[in-house]
Amino acid sequence: GENVEQHPSTLSVQEGDSAVIKCTYSDSASNYFPWYKQELGKRPQLIIDIRSNVGEKKDQRIAVTLNKTAKHFSLHITETQPEDSAVYFCAAGSSARQLTFGSGTQLTVLP
Amino acid sequence: NAGVMQNPRHLVRRRGQEARLRCSPMKGHSHVYWYRQLPEEGLKFMVYLQKENIIDESGMPKERFSAEFPKEGPSILRIQQVVRGDSAAYFCASSRDLGYTFGSGTRLTVV
Repeated sequence: GENVEQHPSTLSVQEGDSAVIKCTYSDSASNYFPWYKQELGKRPQLIIDIRSNVGEKKDQRIAVTLNKTAKHFSLHITETQPEDSAVYFCAAGSSARQLTFGSGTQLTVLP
Repeated sequence: NAGVMQNPRHLVRRRGQEARLRCSPMKGHSHVYWYRQLPEEGLKFMVYLQKENIIDESGMPKERFSAEFPKEGPSILRIQQVVRGDSAAYFCASSRDLGYTFGSGTRLTVV
């Protein structure tokens, strides 16, 4: 089955700086890579996703890159704000099966 | 569109009792997934269902846990003879193809 590893487990940045979270996956059949943000006590919410036919996708301050050859993908948040503080999960999967999630990154943006 | 509806939001059970968690997927979504989240941990896959079919239950404990998604009505995750270690947040997600939408979760506490 799929195995997703996520690093770092915790990340602290100063407000305005950038944050990068990295994930690797094992199953070459995975073709869909979403990122979820989970605030304390809330549900995970999709913030951006990428499919294997593209290498990069951007949405305002958030971008995701995918390297299929190396089987890794990354989340980039620029100009971080205090409201970006949350736990971020990467995931990998395909339409044929369920998503496998990484273990999460606790991001803290320091004012 | 009401989103993915889970109930109850909070459930307290004594050891040995049964817990029933309900999930109504988003309109038009035929795939339902259940995940368990322990405090400060990631999302662990439990089971993937479509109407009247269990597609993948590889994440379900072999005993005491069962799930169904009947032709009519919500998906049910059933935990028999609960133990303290079952205390967790249980999230349901639904999808049409790719891209999960999560419910708000059921927080089960076993006392």
